[in-house]
Amino acid sequence: DAGVIQSPRHEVTEMGQEVTLRCKPISGHDYLFWYRQTMMRGLELLIYFNNNVPIDDSGMPEDRFSAKMPNASFSTLKIQPSEPRDSAVYFCASSFIPGYGYTFGSGTRLTVV
Amino acid sequence: AQSVTQPDIHITVSEGASLELRCNYSYGATPYLFWYVQSPGQGLQLLLKYFSGDTLVQGIKGFEAEFKRSQSSFNLRKPSVHWSDAAEYFCAVGAGSGGGADGLTFGKGTHLIIQP
Repeated sequence: DAGVIQSPRHEVTEMGQEVTLRCKPISGHDYLFWYRQTMMRGLELLIYFNNNVPIDDSGMPEDRFSAKMPNASFSTLKIQPSEPRDSAVYFCASSFIPGYGYTFGSGTRLTVV
Repeated sequence: AQSVTQPDIHITVSEGASLELRCNYSYGATPYLFWYVQSPGQGLQLLLKYFSGDTLVQGIKGFEAEFKRSQSSFNLRKPSVHWSDAAEYFCAVGAGSGGGADGLTFGKGTHLIIQP
C-alpha cells in the first residue's frame, strides 16, 4: 500500500495564477479530507468527501477555492486566482472508518509570490 | 462546536527522561480522541486513538495516552524519550458519526525538543 499520494510536493507560483493540487487516496477508503496547515491557524479542514460526494465545504475560505473528486482514486483542490495568503501546506487524508483515524499524505507546500 | 487545547507550545525534555504532553478537549458527546505526530516536512502519522473501553490506550513507538472524562483530558505519555521523538505532536477530536466522519478538529500542536 503506497499510502495517500499527493502531488506536487512543492509548488511555487505567482500571484494570480491557477494552482491545482492533487491527491490519490488509499484504495477502499470512502472518506477524503483536505486540510490546510499554517503557523497562524494550525490545521484547518477545508472540505471533505464521502463516496466521491462533497459533504461539507464550509471550511473553504473563499470562492477562489474549489475541490473535486471525479472518482474514488483521485481528488483535486484548485485555487484560482492564487494569492500570497494562500501560502501554506495542504494535506489530503483518507479514511475507511473515520473513528479509527485518518491516513495523511505528505502534503503540498504551496508558496505564492 | 468541538475544540482542542494543547497548553504547551514547546516542551524540552532530556533524552531518556519521561514525557507528558497535555491535551484538553471540548465536545458535547462521547469523544473520539487521537494523537498524531508530524516530523519536519512530513505528513501526520497516527500514534494512537481512543473511543471506548480501557481509558489507557497504547500506541506505536512506545507512546500511551490516558482518557480522563472528568478532566476532559487526553494526555500523551512516554516513559523514556529518544532523540528521534523530536517532532510536532497534535491532539485531535473526531466529530460526526463514527467519531470523525465530519472531520477531525486539531489542537495547535506541541513542539517537542529533545536535549542530549
